[in-house]
Amino acid sequence: EVQLVESGGNLVQPGGSLRLSCAASGFTFSKYWMHWVRQAPGKGLVWVSHINNDGSYANYADSVKGRFTMSRDNAKNMVYLQMNSLRVEDTAVYYCGTINYGDPPPWGQGTLVTVSS
Amino acid sequence: QTVVTQEPSLTVSPGGTVTLTCASSTGAVTSGYESNWFQQKTGQAPRSLIYLTTNKHWWTPARFSGSLLGGKAALTLSDVQPEDEADYYCLLYHNGVPVFGTGTRVTVL
Repeated sequence: EVQLVESGGNLVQPGGSLRLSCAASGFTFSKYWMHWVRQAPGKGLVWVSHINNDGSYANYADSVKGRFTMSRDNAKNMVYLQMNSLRVEDTAVYYCGTINYGDPPPWGQGTLVTVSS
Repeated sequence: QTVVTQEPSLTVSPGGTVTLTCASSTGAVTSGYESNWFQQKTGQAPRSLIYLTTNKHWWTPARFSGSLLGGKAALTLSDVQPEDEADYYCLLYHNGVPVFGTGTRVTVL
């Protein structure tokens, strides 16, 4: 089955860290650029980061630059988002997925990150 | 900071046609902005409908079409069905950085 499954979301205090994971299956993972997108409760979609197909290049939204790091392991069909110095405003459901491909895997169901004291 | 603006809400009757637009604060949207459209139903993950301005996926209903219209990206829903009620988000690439639009809630009534 073609799917993406996110995990790692949790309740964390401001200033804390979390690592999100996204497991890919059923397709040629190494062919795709991957993205993280987030959605705060009741709000719209916001692009967070992307990584190229071999992991040599990543870019980030200004709001997370310097705090978040995206990486991938093509041998394990996994993509990660290391989130440091978390803020209350980082609270959201985080989705992984692809953009601009004709036959993409469906976006995962997301993982909830709550930053609160 | 780049802002991508969509209509906050639109209402359409079953069987009708509605066009959603997507404007960039940087100026007219061209094919170089590689516009994408996503549909998100309540409680579900977003699902891609249109990529690279006009291209559909195999699962995209034929009644959905993407285009450029008057300097904006556009998504037209024809013969609207009740199951089309959802939030719709455009996405534009600005110098290699994707930016989502503010979203449009489509109500079928």
